[in-house]
Amino acid sequence: EAQVTQNPRYLITVTGKKLTVTCSQNMNHEYMSWYRQDPGLGLRQIYYSMNVEVTDKGDVPEGYKVSRKEKRNFPLILESPSPNQTSLYFCASSLGLGIGYTFGSGTRLTVV
Amino acid sequence: QKEVEQDPGPLSVPEGAIVSLNCTYSNSAFQYFMWYRQYSRKGPELLMYTYSSGNKEDGRFTAQVDKSSKYISLFIRDSQPSDSATYLCAMIRNTGTASKLTFGTGTRLQVTL
Repeated sequence: EAQVTQNPRYLITVTGKKLTVTCSQNMNHEYMSWYRQDPGLGLRQIYYSMNVEVTDKGDVPEGYKVSRKEKRNFPLILESPSPNQTSLYFCASSLGLGIGYTFGSGTRLTVV
Repeated sequence: QKEVEQDPGPLSVPEGAIVSLNCTYSNSAFQYFMWYRQYSRKGPELLMYTYSSGNKEDGRFTAQVDKSSKYISLFIRDSQPSDSATYLCAMIRNTGTASKLTFGTGTRLQVTL
């Protein structure tokens, strides 16, 4: 089944403790992206990647890192999480520019 | 001012009603227009995708784009309780080497029996 898989689905952590949210797609998509979704603000792009080893900042990149060492994987790294990063995170992938995304099921992160 | 504006709702309609969901945008560089549906505790799923002005129909769903007015709509005919979800409009503009996808904040729809 063609899909984007995120792990974990739920995560509660403490301020400052490094964490990684994994994302993997099995559709051979070039384009991958991370979004966060907050009430009243909608989906905002954190980082995106157009291909292996090519990443760029989205609208809200502060406090996040990404890497794209393989085409299928695009992990999101929070080096020192803070409470304002409590949010619902989505990974998404697309075949290319101008084409609709396939989204993962989301990761609900709480930073206390 | 946000690039994409969408009424958050909630919108409550009886089963069988015609639903109209709308978004306005300010950047004329947007070229591709989409509607996503998001059920509670799920990721958004692509519902409709359009490029040009005009209407596109898929079953009970019709997407309409008016580029001159910077206005897009999604119509749902014969609405069902299973249509209860949040509907997100989304738009893409290409910047040469990258594409930027911008979402509306979503409209929550409740279809009641």
